[in-house]
Amino acid sequence: QQQVKQSPQSLIVQKGGISIINCAYENTAFDYFPWYQQFPGKGPALLIAIRPDVSEKKEGRFTISFNKSAKQFSLHIMDSQPGDSATYFCAAAAGGSQGNLIFGKGTKLSVKP
Amino acid sequence: DTGVSQNPRHKITKRGQNVTFRCDPISEHNRLYWYRQTLGQGPEFLTYFQNEAQLEKSRLLSDRFSAERPKGSFSTLEIQRTEQGDSAMYLCASSIPGQGAEAFFGQGTRLTVV
Repeated sequence: QQQVKQSPQSLIVQKGGISIINCAYENTAFDYFPWYQQFPGKGPALLIAIRPDVSEKKEGRFTISFNKSAKQFSLHIMDSQPGDSATYFCAAAAGGSQGNLIFGKGTKLSVKP
Repeated sequence: DTGVSQNPRHKITKRGQNVTFRCDPISEHNRLYWYRQTLGQGPEFLTYFQNEAQLEKSRLLSDRFSAERPKGSFSTLEIQRTEQGDSAMYLCASSIPGQGAEAFFGQGTRLTVV
C-alpha cells in the first residue's frame, strides 16, 4: 500500500525551465509535507517543507503548492539548473513526528544545459 | 560535528552472516531514525528512538533485525542471518523533537548480500 504517490518517475528539463513534480496522499492525518533532494551516493537532504495550514511556500527557486481538498502537493523548481539534476522525493508525516516519514518513489530530474 | 555519520559506508556479506551498522547522530539530536532504501525507491521507515527508548518499529523490521541506542547517543542496527532481499541502502537520520524539526540524513550504509 503506497500512501504517497509521486509523478513523474523521470523528468528532463532544459536549463532555465520550470520543473514540476507532483504528489498525492490518502491519509488525512498527515500534517507535514517535506521535499528531499538526493544525489547519487548521498543521503536525502531537506529542500523545503509545508504544513496544511498554508497553500504555498517559496524558498528561493523552490516552491511547494499544497491543495488540501485534493490531497495533492507539488514542487516547482524555477530557472532549473544542471546542478539541480538529482532525485527528488516527496514525503509526508503525521502527528508532529517529522522523522517518521512516508516517502514517494522519487523523480529523477535531469536538467540539460 | 559535521552531520550524521554512518559506518561502514559499504558492506558485502555472504547470505546467512550477521552484520552490524553504526550511526552517530548530530550531537544535540535526541531522535534517531533508521530507514531502508532499495534501488529506484524512496526510503522506507524502519524504527526510531527518542534518547535510548525505541518508540516505534515498522512491520518491515522482521525478527532478524534489531536496533539499539544504549546511551541515547550512537545507534546500531544488526541484521542476523542475512538474506539477499536485505541488500539495500540503510539510512540513519536524526532530529530534535517538536514541530518543524528537520530530519538530517547520513550518507547511508550500502549492504550487498551475496
